[in-house]
Amino acid sequence: GAVVSQHPSWVICKSGTSVKIECRSLDFQATTMFWYRQFPKQSLMLMATSNEGSKATYEQGVEKDKFLINHASLTLSTLTVTSAHPEDSSFYICSARDVGLASGRVSDTQYFGPGTRLTVL
Amino acid sequence: GENVEQHPSTLSVQEGDSAVIKCTYSDSASNYFPWYKQELGKRPQLIIDIRSNVGEKKDQRIAVTLNKTAKHFSLHITETQPEDSAVYFCAAGDNFNKFYFGSGTKLNVKP
Repeated sequence: GAVVSQHPSWVICKSGTSVKIECRSLDFQATTMFWYRQFPKQSLMLMATSNEGSKATYEQGVEKDKFLINHASLTLSTLTVTSAHPEDSSFYICSARDVGLASGRVSDTQYFGPGTRLTVL
Repeated sequence: GENVEQHPSTLSVQEGDSAVIKCTYSDSASNYFPWYKQELGKRPQLIIDIRSNVGEKKDQRIAVTLNKTAKHFSLHITETQPEDSAVYFCAAGDNFNKFYFGSGTKLNVKP
C-alpha cells in the first residue's frame, strides 16, 4: 500500500514552453502533497505544499507564478513549470502522506513518487 | 525555517562493519525524524523513523537515536552489506508534516 505515481517519468521541452507533471496517490487519499526539486547528487529541496481544495503554500524563494500547483482531488496534484528555461532542468519529485481518510491507516511519513526528470533545451 | 545538517557527505566501510550518519536540526518545533535511502535514479524509500518523544528505535540492523536537547539524531547500520550502498537522507518534520532534508550521505560498502 501507500503507492505514489508520477507522470511523465521524463520530459524534454523547448525553452519558453510549459510542462505539467502529475502526482497521484494510487491506494490512499492525500489532503496534502509535497513537491521537491533535486539537483544531481544533491538533496531534496522542498518547493511547496499542495493542499486539496485550496492554494498551495510555497517555500521562500520559490516563484509561485513560475511553478503552478493545482490539487483538484484527494488523489491528484499537478505541478506546471511555466515558461521553462534551461535552469529549470532538474529532477522533480512529489510525496504524499496517508492521513487515513479511506485506508484508516494514519502515517507520519511521506511516500515518494518515482520522480520526473525535466530537461529544458 | 528549519535547517538540517548531515555528516559525513561520503562514507566508505568494509562489509560487516558499522556505519553511522549524523544529523542536526535547528527548529525545536520539529517532532518527527525519518531516514530515507535513495538508490541511483530511484525514489527515496523510508527505512526508519523516530518521533520526538522517543530516544531510540531499532529495526533489525538499523537503529536511530535522538537527542532532543542537543537537537541531533543519528542513523546506525550494523553488519553492513553491499546492498546497503546508497545515498541516505535524514529529515526533520513539523506538525504541518513539512520535511526538510539533510544534504545526504553516500554510503559505499566494500565487499
